Amino acid sequence: SAVISQKPSRDICQRGTSLTIQCQVDSQVTMMFWYRQQPGQSLTLIATANQGSEATYESGFVIDKFPISRPNLTFSTLTVSNMSPEDSSIYLCSVLPSASTDTQYFGPGTRLTVL
Amino acid sequence: QKEVEQNSGPLSVPEGAIASLNCTYSDRVSQSFFWYRQYSGKSPELIMSIYSNGDKEDGRFTAQLNKASQYVSLLIRDSQPSDSATYLCAVNAGNNRKLIWGLGTSLAVNP
Repeated sequence: SAVISQKPSRDICQRGTSLTIQCQVDSQVTMMFWYRQQPGQSLTLIATANQGSEATYESGFVIDKFPISRPNLTFSTLTVSNMSPEDSSIYLCSVLPSASTDTQYFGPGTRLTVL
Repeated sequence: QKEVEQNSGPLSVPEGAIASLNCTYSDRVSQSFFWYRQYSGKSPELIMSIYSNGDKEDGRFTAQLNKASQYVSLLIRDSQPSDSATYLCAVNAGNNRKLIWGLGTSLAVNP
């Protein structure tokens, strides 16, 4: 399976600021997703990162708050904008390695705390 | 709305016992089913996928799928303290390749 890295692994930010999280894969992948996992909760899909075009957002998530880029088949970024304490969460990227599989593999996650 | 349901637990079993984790789903057209394990502070890791009715075994893990009853289960034989984690059930949501996630079942294996 693909090796996935995320940066930063954790951060503590002040409210009103923005943080960009990077997801890097060691091989080209078909699809990339961004999830949020709040404390004690399951995974919530934020959006599907589309290569070369705008991301597809899930209900309740908007581009102004969570802008996403995917310039190529191995890299994506998620920005959490104008942060509030409610944005404190773990942010995870996942990938579908190829068109022949529907098994998602996850990066190590970014633990974000907003003060 | 498509849903995946799991008992939140905690499920507590003694070391060496069989742990049984259950999951039900609402969308009858779902075709792909996954079990992930998540240790505290870590990201989910795939345990097993299953696509056909019946049992699928991989080492100490057995996944069971019954599409007619819309449930999928995970059995862990000879449970070890290192199996203590949250187990997440995920179901494919259709052609868009997205997954619907259960809330997870917390498993504690006691030495």
